[in-house]
Amino acid sequence: IAGITQAPTSQILAAGRRMTLRCTQDMRHNAMYWYRQDLGLGLRLIHYSNTAGTTGKGEVPDGYSVSRANTDDFPLTLASAVPSQTSVYFCASSENSNTEAFFGQGTRLTVV
Amino acid sequence: GQNIDQPTEMTATEGAIVQINCTYQTSGFNGLFWYQQHAGEAPTFLSYNVLDGLEEKGRFSSFLSRSKGYSYLLLKELQMKDSASYLCAVRDSNYQLIWGAGTKLIIKP
Repeated sequence: IAGITQAPTSQILAAGRRMTLRCTQDMRHNAMYWYRQDLGLGLRLIHYSNTAGTTGKGEVPDGYSVSRANTDDFPLTLASAVPSQTSVYFCASSENSNTEAFFGQGTRLTVV
Repeated sequence: GQNIDQPTEMTATEGAIVQINCTYQTSGFNGLFWYQQHAGEAPTFLSYNVLDGLEEKGRFSSFLSRSKGYSYLLLKELQMKDSASYLCAVRDSNYQLIWGAGTKLIIKP
């Protein structure tokens, strides 16, 4: 693994189903983030973690949850998917909250 | 509320120079970032400004005026591979990034 890896790359999900998007980084970055990107809108922060063991809510947290059990992993869970959660999801990490973020390749999620 | 404004789309010619503007209104300021995003790919970091003035990095330069809430990204000697979206983001008082919707840059031969 080099950098930041997301899985799956894409997914079609039935509404009401539970889904976890995985994110792993090997840069030993303290801070990690989950964004969604929708056409015509800027990246919107869903949840973040400034360090292992802590998480915080971003701009659009409803319907999503995260955990940060260790430095490397930051999974995003949709408890009961709805069509409005159709989006491209990007995981990112940074050395700390002051430095630039590095992004994973994204997960394209379609909820039908 | 917090707001980042960028033009939606710009067109330029290969070999030319283009300036992409970004204006912002945020609760606090702790730096401004520019990212490049090719279609279907992840954003990649281009530049960071926290003090007023110009930062130059090869063919790309970024300028910041904090008093005007304004930045621009200058791309010189445009190449076809520069066709991409350019995202402006501001770190606010909570150290969270607020993102503009991005400027799609189309390069024509």
